[in-house]
Amino acid sequence: GESVGLHLPTLSVQEGDNSIINCAYSNSASDYFIWYKQESGKGPQFIIDIRSNMDKRQGQRVTVLLNKTVKHLSLQIAATQPGDSAVYFCAETTNNNDMRFGAGTRLTVKP
Amino acid sequence: SQTIHQWPATLVQPVGSPLSLECTVEGTSNPNLYWYRQAAGRGLQLLFYSVGIGQISSEVPQNLSASRPQDRQFILSSKKLLLSDSGFYLCAWSPQGNQPQHFGDGTRLSIL
Repeated sequence: GESVGLHLPTLSVQEGDNSIINCAYSNSASDYFIWYKQESGKGPQFIIDIRSNMDKRQGQRVTVLLNKTVKHLSLQIAATQPGDSAVYFCAETTNNNDMRFGAGTRLTVKP
Repeated sequence: SQTIHQWPATLVQPVGSPLSLECTVEGTSNPNLYWYRQAAGRGLQLLFYSVGIGQISSEVPQNLSASRPQDRQFILSSKKLLLSDSGFYLCAWSPQGNQPQHFGDGTRLSIL
């Protein structure tokens, strides 16, 4: 069946470096994609989203890239800080009521 | 601004006991509402969603049920809990249409 997955379950980066978290999806009909950050014991927090009519969107220190040809989504975090340490989830949907989440990538920032 | 509240934050229940988790949203009207379960170290599994009062869609068969008695209130229930019901339960809301879902801080449910 259709699924959303991540290439790496864990990612460790040095403070100040850039981080890239990747996500693959298989439902070619998906047209809305979201990245969430989840800290321990809390609910996921919205970071940034992108619709299928775009291939790049930037926020504060974060950029999401969408490659519909290979069904790939990535989250780039610039100048990674200790407060960025968390689990990051990608999610994809066609109508918001079938949003599917990846298993998550744990980002650890080393001082 | 909109806020979402879930309670309790943690709950320990014996097998076979009933369950009621409550979620309320403030600062918006006619939201879509969602219940998810998250197993340890895993992604989120959608359990129920609601697009309006009294309208509940179930995504997975289970011994849980959901109700939406008011526009901004979403309740997750069970008559008899199973050991497999342990997990982290998250409520979320979104505006109508393809918009981000916003999550509460969850309820950690342990079944003994």
